[in-house]
Amino acid sequence: NAGVTQTPKFRVLKTGQSMTLLCAQDMNHEYMYWYRQDPGMGLRLIHYSVGEGTTAKGEVPDGYNVSRLKKQNFLLGLESAAPSQTSVYFCASTLSDRGLEQYFGPGTRLTVT
Amino acid sequence: DAKTTQPPSMDCAEGRAANLPCNHSTISGNEYVYWYRQIHSQGPQYIIHGLKNNETNEMASLIITEDRKSSTLILPHATLRDTAVYYCIAVRGGSNYKLTFGKGTLLTVNP
Repeated sequence: NAGVTQTPKFRVLKTGQSMTLLCAQDMNHEYMYWYRQDPGMGLRLIHYSVGEGTTAKGEVPDGYNVSRLKKQNFLLGLESAAPSQTSVYFCASTLSDRGLEQYFGPGTRLTVT
Repeated sequence: DAKTTQPPSMDCAEGRAANLPCNHSTISGNEYVYWYRQIHSQGPQYIIHGLKNNETNEMASLIITEDRKSSTLILPHATLRDTAVYYCIAVRGGSNYKLTFGKGTLLTVNP
């Protein structure tokens, strides 16, 4: 049981490049989330999903897109990366009836130059 | 969701109890208090939550005042591995599944 895994762990992009971050969970959780954390700040919710095929915007969705084609995977896309998107990205998941007890992945450190 | 206020940092000696305070004076009757922690560079970890009653699990105890305006997270025997940022979050239960993390309290456990 791996829990929540994130791929890749590190990435450096140039401004304007695109990339996709992958989050996978093997706990059969319905809800999945993407957060970003900037230095010295708390986490901010980007997008979330309450089930396969559904997505919704969080607090800071601009510049990101997401997809949840399979229940176990939640993808975060950056179509045209900007330096302001340099951050650590965390994925989380939870059961629908325990929605606030979230399990987090180890994070992806993204630098946009 | 109610705003929470936590001290930015605290120290604790290894082996002693760590008591982390949280103020949530505007909390409403249907809002829970959740605690998470984040060890350096790792993803946050759920610790405990409560509504009105005190709660205990294998990680910690949560003491909520009778008027619910504040709470205290207690780590009974702090170890060096408990050094982390601790987040107190007030949030409605039910269908609200979105957490808002503030800046938390950096707890440093000293040998």
